[in-house]
Amino acid sequence: GAGVSQSPSNKVTEKGKDVELRCDPISGHTALYWYRQSLGQGLEFLIYFQGNSAPDKSGLPSDRFSAERTGGSVSTLTIQRTQQEDSAVYLCASRFTSGRGTDTQYFGPGTRLTVL
Amino acid sequence: SQQGEEDPQALSIQEGENATMNCSYKTSINNLQWYRQNSGRGLVHLILIRSNEREKHSGRLRVTLDTSKKSSSLLITASRAADTASYFCATVRSGNTGKLIFGQGTTLQVKP
Repeated sequence: GAGVSQSPSNKVTEKGKDVELRCDPISGHTALYWYRQSLGQGLEFLIYFQGNSAPDKSGLPSDRFSAERTGGSVSTLTIQRTQQEDSAVYLCASRFTSGRGTDTQYFGPGTRLTVL
Repeated sequence: SQQGEEDPQALSIQEGENATMNCSYKTSINNLQWYRQNSGRGLVHLILIRSNEREKHSGRLRVTLDTSKKSSSLLITASRAADTASYFCATVRSGNTGKLIFGQGTTLQVKP
């Protein structure tokens, strides 16, 4: 596809369950980011992947959150033992990292997570 | 944690008027970017201004950056109802991984 895609678009889960959110970045983009948008905290950085380098996990709010990026492309954000405060829109973005226009991040439509 | 503040938090204007949104940030930056968001979903990149630039234009958008005051403004001229959205500034710090630190956003309503 031409843009960043995310699935599912909406996810409703019960407190204590695990969830997996998927991001397909734009082909050829080596940098991938996850952000979270919630009413109380606004837009927050979660994690960053760049090629084969170790990810920058400095934004993950707790050890219940983890993410991986397989083959330098698709990424999965996993939230274990979900809590109500995890309810938010999870946004994925990707960008080129060489050449002109490398600072622009392209965002997916997001996954709205609701924890009951 | 968020880098900065935006004001106003909400702005309502008539079509044809200009809309100005302001953003302040706290640390030294490599660049500052403005994004638009419709209906609380995906963000669309509007414009980027680097720390050594003072003003930039793109169509009806004009962005200024004052690094001495750690502030930026976004001006939308001749607004249209379709400009109704939330607008966020985001900074990239020097020597950073490129991760964006967002402001709180301004909700703009343009009345037809």
